[in-house]
Amino acid sequence: SQTIHQWPATLVQPVGSPLSLECTVEGTSNPNLYWYRQAAGRGLQLLFYSIGIDQISSEVPQNLSASRPQDRQFILSSKKLLLSDSGFYLCAWSDIQGYGNTIYFGEGSWLTVV
Amino acid sequence: GESVGLHLPTLSVQEGDNSIINCAYSNSASDYFIWYKQESGKGPQFIIDIRSNMDKRQGQRVTVLLNKTVKHLSLQIAATQPGDSAVYFCAVRNQAGTALIFGKGTTLSVSS
Repeated sequence: SQTIHQWPATLVQPVGSPLSLECTVEGTSNPNLYWYRQAAGRGLQLLFYSIGIDQISSEVPQNLSASRPQDRQFILSSKKLLLSDSGFYLCAWSDIQGYGNTIYFGEGSWLTVV
Repeated sequence: GESVGLHLPTLSVQEGDNSIINCAYSNSASDYFIWYKQESGKGPQFIIDIRSNMDKRQGQRVTVLLNKTVKHLSLQIAATQPGDSAVYFCAVRNQAGTALIFGKGTTLSVSS
């Protein structure tokens, strides 16, 4: 069965510091991968999606970036965090062969920028 | 651009009642819809999906209804239980077919 892991689960970072959130998927190959952000009390905002290694599409202009160095690894980064980057970050995957693109989420990473 | 909206941000029901959560979408060409449940501090979990060639689909205690004429989607939960308390999101596949667009969520509270 497929599993998705992301870490760290929680982190508190000062303004201006770098960020690296990592996500890996097991049990599938060539998945679509996604990073979503969820601000408190709000819906999920798509940040990045990837259909393959080194193929990243950005949905929202921001100071975040994503990379996919391996087929099942997706990394969310920032060189300098802003207070507004605080939120709940969710990695997700979907089966590229699946018609419906059902997306399966990881457990999320809570980021607090102070 | 494409958007997804909820009719009510919160819904409170009694245990045993039926719950109905509504959602509207903007793109009449949308062809795939999903409902997710998110418990506090966790990632959203898939509940049920429906394609645009269907009007209704049933799962265990849940039913999704799709009205393409008015671009409306609903989730019905039968015999709501305290464990159903969570935030429910509807999501629509984007026009490019590459990702899902989410609504803001409805918080369902079930009291005993």
